[in-house]
Amino acid sequence: EAGVTQSPTHLIKTRGQQATLRCSPISGHTSVYWYQQALGLGLQFLLWYDEGEERNRGNFPPRFSGRQFPNYSSELNVNALELEDSALYLCASRTEGDYEQYFGPGTRLTVT
Amino acid sequence: AQSVTQLGSHVSVSEGALVLLRCNYSSSVPPYLFWYVQYPNQGLQLLLKYTSAATLVKGINGFEAEFKKSETSFHLTKPSAHMTDAAEYFCAVLNQAGTALIFGKGTTLSVSS
Repeated sequence: EAGVTQSPTHLIKTRGQQATLRCSPISGHTSVYWYQQALGLGLQFLLWYDEGEERNRGNFPPRFSGRQFPNYSSELNVNALELEDSALYLCASRTEGDYEQYFGPGTRLTVT
Repeated sequence: AQSVTQLGSHVSVSEGALVLLRCNYSSSVPPYLFWYVQYPNQGLQLLLKYTSAATLVKGINGFEAEFKKSETSFHLTKPSAHMTDAAEYFCAVLNQAGTALIFGKGTTLSVSS
C-alpha cells in the first residue's frame, strides 16, 4: 500500500511570492491534515480537510489556505510569503473512524 | 485545552542502555496519545498509540509506553538502545474535538557506541 506522498520535496521561493504544495493521501483515506514544522516552533496544526471541506484550521493567517479535490488529494497555498514561512510542511491522512494519522515525507519550503 | 510537555529536549544514551523519553499531557477528557519518530529529512512515523484500552502499549522497534492517569504521563521506553534509534521523538495528544494532533516540542535521542 502506497503511503502519503507530497510534492515537491523542496521549494525555494522569494519573499512575497506564492507557494503551492501538494499531498496525496493513502488510498481510502478521506481526511487530510497539514502541519508546519518550523525551526524552534515545533509541529503546529495548520488545516484539516475532510470530504472536500475545510473542517478546522490552526492559528495561522488567512494567507495560508488550501483545498481538497474529489480524489481526496489536497493542495496547500501560501500567499505573500514571508521569511518566517520557511519550514517543513507535513501532510497527514487518516481514514474515517480512526484517530491515527499517517504522515508524508514533507515539503521543505525555503523563503529567501 | 490539551497540551503536551516533553521533558528534556535532548537525551543521550549508550548503545544497549535503557531509553526513557518523558511525556506529560494535560487534557480535560480521556486522552488519545501518540508517540511519533522522525528521522533526519523524513516525515513522522507512528511508534505507538494509546486509545483507552490497555495502559501498557507496545509499539514498533521494541518501544513501549505506559499510560499513567494519576501522573498524567505517557513515557516512552526501550530496554536496549540501538544506534538506529537515534532520531527525534514527538509525543502528541488528540485535541478535545478530535480534529487535530497537538505535539510536544520533541526530544532528540542520541545513541553512542
